[in-house]
Amino acid sequence: SQTIHQWPATLVQPVGSPLSLECTVEGTSNPNLYWYRQAAGRGLQLLFYSVGIGQISSEVPQNLSASRPQDRQFILSSKKLLLSDSGFYLCAWSPELGTNQPQHFGDGTRLSIL
Amino acid sequence: AQTVTQSQPEMSVQEAETVTLSCTYDTSESDYYLFWYKQPPSRQMILVIRQEAYKQQNATENRFSVNFQKAAKSFSLKISDSQLGDAAMYFCAYTTYKYIFGTGTRLKVLA
Repeated sequence: SQTIHQWPATLVQPVGSPLSLECTVEGTSNPNLYWYRQAAGRGLQLLFYSVGIGQISSEVPQNLSASRPQDRQFILSSKKLLLSDSGFYLCAWSPELGTNQPQHFGDGTRLSIL
Repeated sequence: AQTVTQSQPEMSVQEAETVTLSCTYDTSESDYYLFWYKQPPSRQMILVIRQEAYKQQNATENRFSVNFQKAAKSFSLKISDSQLGDAAMYFCAYTTYKYIFGTGTRLKVLA
């Protein structure tokens, strides 16, 4: 069966520090991968999605970047964090675009910027 | 641009009663898919129910059912016999090639 792992679960970082959040998927090949941010009490904002290795689509211009160095690995990064980067970050995967297959989510990372 | 709107930030329901959560969306596509996700306090996103736009029949999963009105672009979720474990944030989502989520409705279940 397919599983998705996301870490760390919680992260506290100072303003201006770098960021690296990692997400890996097991049990499937060529998944579509997504990074979302959920601000407190709000919905999910799609940040990036990827349909293949090295293919990244950015939805929101901001301080963050994403990379997909391997088929089932998706990394969210920042060179210098801002206070506004605080939030709950969710990684997700889906088997195929344009189908009735739902997204499957990781357990999330709670990021606090001090 | 495609959008998903959940106009009820918060809803309450008495245990064992029925509640309906609203969702509307805007799209020019004719073929798409709709989902309801549940996010309990643990923050994990759990799929509740899905609907294909080409199907006229409303989807049903045990106590959960939808009222899909394609012409009105409406996709409401009905929870019957509400249980304490149903308390969560509920997100409506739309997809063709990428997913768009609503802002969520917080459901409280009163004992």
